[in-house]
This record gives sequence, structure tokens and C-alpha cells, in this order.
Amino acid sequence: GAVVSQHPSRVICKSGTSVKIECRSLDFQATTMFWYRQFPKQSLMLMATSNEGSKATYEQGVEKDKFLINHASLTLSTLTVTSAHPEDSSFYICSARRTRFTDTQYFGPGTRLTVL
Amino acid sequence: GENVEQHPSTLSVQEGDSAVIKCTYSDSASNYFPWYKQELGKRPQLIIDIRSNVGEKKDQRIAVTLNKTAKHFSLHITETQPEDSAVYFCAATFTSSGNTPLVFGKGTRLSVIA
Repeated sequence: GAVVSQHPSRVICKSGTSVKIECRSLDFQATTMFWYRQFPKQSLMLMATSNEGSKATYEQGVEKDKFLINHASLTLSTLTVTSAHPEDSSFYICSARRTRFTDTQYFGPGTRLTVL
Repeated sequence: GENVEQHPSTLSVQEGDSAVIKCTYSDSASNYFPWYKQELGKRPQLIIDIRSNVGEKKDQRIAVTLNKTAKHFSLHITETQPEDSAVYFCAATFTSSGNTPLVFGKGTRLSVIA
């Protein structure tokens, strides 16, 4: 199957700092990537849809100024958590479709963010 | 928008028994229904999926059934093994231009007791 990577896998930061998470499609080009957040023992909640070359589409209740998404190329989308607070601590996962005509979404390994 | 309900939230079975997880969806336009298995701290892994033009699909010990009229679909795992223990998520979406996200159910924590 297609490979999606994320970096870093784990990050611990102080409250008020910003953290950037990278999502890469390693063997295919992804015009669209999705960012999810998963709290312990909960489901995956869609945060935003990242579109290459255009602005991201955010879900209701997700602050676009706090969670900055940049999809600068067909293989890279970044999520920056700005001015992070302890309540932002979560598991952040990206996903992508191999092509816009296929259904299967491939997930990255996730990034565990802990804000102290 | 789409809403996916999943039951049960937890399920314990004896090794060798079958496990069934059920999901319902709200948007009749949804046409793609994948199931993911997620182990603790790991990424969700696709285990099987079904499209709306098919009523049933099977892959070894795993099968999925879809009832479009009732808007529900189910995951069946036969001859369960301890390594099947994980959290299982159903999802639904309408695939068109490729930019529609998956909507997930809340998950089912399956425990297979040896």
C-alpha cells in the first residue's frame, strides 16, 4: 500500500510555544491530505482538509489561526499548532488518498503532542 | 453532514468465537465504507472496505455486509485470535473528487480472551 510518513513521532513542548508537524506521502502525490486529532480512548476527529496550492478547509470549531495548515507541494502538508496549551495535547494523524479517483485513505503513523 | 454511529463500544469474546460490530450512517449519498483496526499508539490500518454497489465482501476471517436501504453496515470477524484485540473503527464517505474526508464511528474496543 501507499506510504504516508509523519515527523516528529513525538514532541513535548512548553505552553505558549509553536509546534510544526509534517505529513509526507512517500511514494505518491496527494492533492488532498486530511488532518485528524485523536484524544485518548476516543475516535478520530477531522480537523481540516489540506489542499495543495490553496487554503485548507477547517471543520466547525477548529480555529484556523491556531492550527495553521500549509500544503506547499503534492507530497507535503504541515500542521503548525501555534501558542500550544495543555489542552492541545493529543495524537495528531494525517491521511491521504493515492489519487483523487481512489477511495482508500492511508494514514500516517501519528504525532503524539504533549504540552506542559 | 454525515454521522456514523457504532456499537458496541466494547466487546469481549472468547478465542475462536465470532465478533460482530455494527455501524449506521445518516447520509444516503455515502458510497464508501471502510473498516480500520488501530492498536494502541499506532496508526489506523485498513482491514476491509465495501462500496455501495456491493452487499457483502469477505477476506479470509473478515467480512463486511452493507444494507443500503437501512443505512447500516457490519464487520464480522470469525475464529477470533488474541492478535485481533484492538480498537476497530467504521467510517463512511461519499467519494467523488477525492477531497471528501472519512467520517468515523466512535470505535469498538475488541478484547479476545485466550
